Amino acid sequence: DAGVTQSPTHLIKTRGQQVTLRCSPKSGHDTVSWYQQALGQGPQFIFQYYEEEERQRGNFPDRFSGHQFPNYSSELNVNALLLGDSALYLCASSSFGGNHEQYFGPGTRLTVT
Amino acid sequence: LAKTTQPISMDSYEGQEVNITCSHNNIATNDYITWYQQFPSQGPRFIIQGYKTKVTNEVASLFIPADRKSSTLSLPRVSLSDTAVYYCLVGGMDSSYKLIFGSGTRLLVRP
Repeated sequence: DAGVTQSPTHLIKTRGQQVTLRCSPKSGHDTVSWYQQALGQGPQFIFQYYEEEERQRGNFPDRFSGHQFPNYSSELNVNALLLGDSALYLCASSSFGGNHEQYFGPGTRLTVT
Repeated sequence: LAKTTQPISMDSYEGQEVNITCSHNNIATNDYITWYQQFPSQGPRFIIQGYKTKVTNEVASLFIPADRKSSTLSLPRVSLSDTAVYYCLVGGMDSSYKLIFGSGTRLLVRP
């Protein structure tokens, strides 16, 4: 049973560019949440998707957008990249309304130069 | 959402018991207390969750006093592989609830 998978593992972008990160949830899960983790900090909630809709959103600008597909996988898009967007982007999956645990993927390390 | 406060770092030795305390003075009636563990370059991993008194699983114990304004994660007989960052979170039990992480406690286990 595959856990949460994310791609790519690492990528380097230039300021002003756009990036798309991908996440496949754990089998049986229908909810995907995205988090940004800067070096030395705890993860910060970006948004959550369920039934292909954004259900909750953290304090992130509109440059951060997402999508969830019918197979529950999800994408995180970031436009007009800033140096401060350099971070580890984590995807977590869960079963909506289910038990307490969110399962995290290994993350995508984004470096903006 | 209740804010949590925990020590920035802790040191221990292999075989010792480690207790990490988290303060959450403004915890709401329907909030649960959850602990996650994170190794470098990996996503956080759920350790344990509780509402009151004591919860124990194969990895750790969680002690919650009656006023629920604090909680203590207890790791019995730590090993080098327990070196990680430990996060205390408070919030709803529903897994659709967004997780609010603080800065965590960096635990270093020495030989």
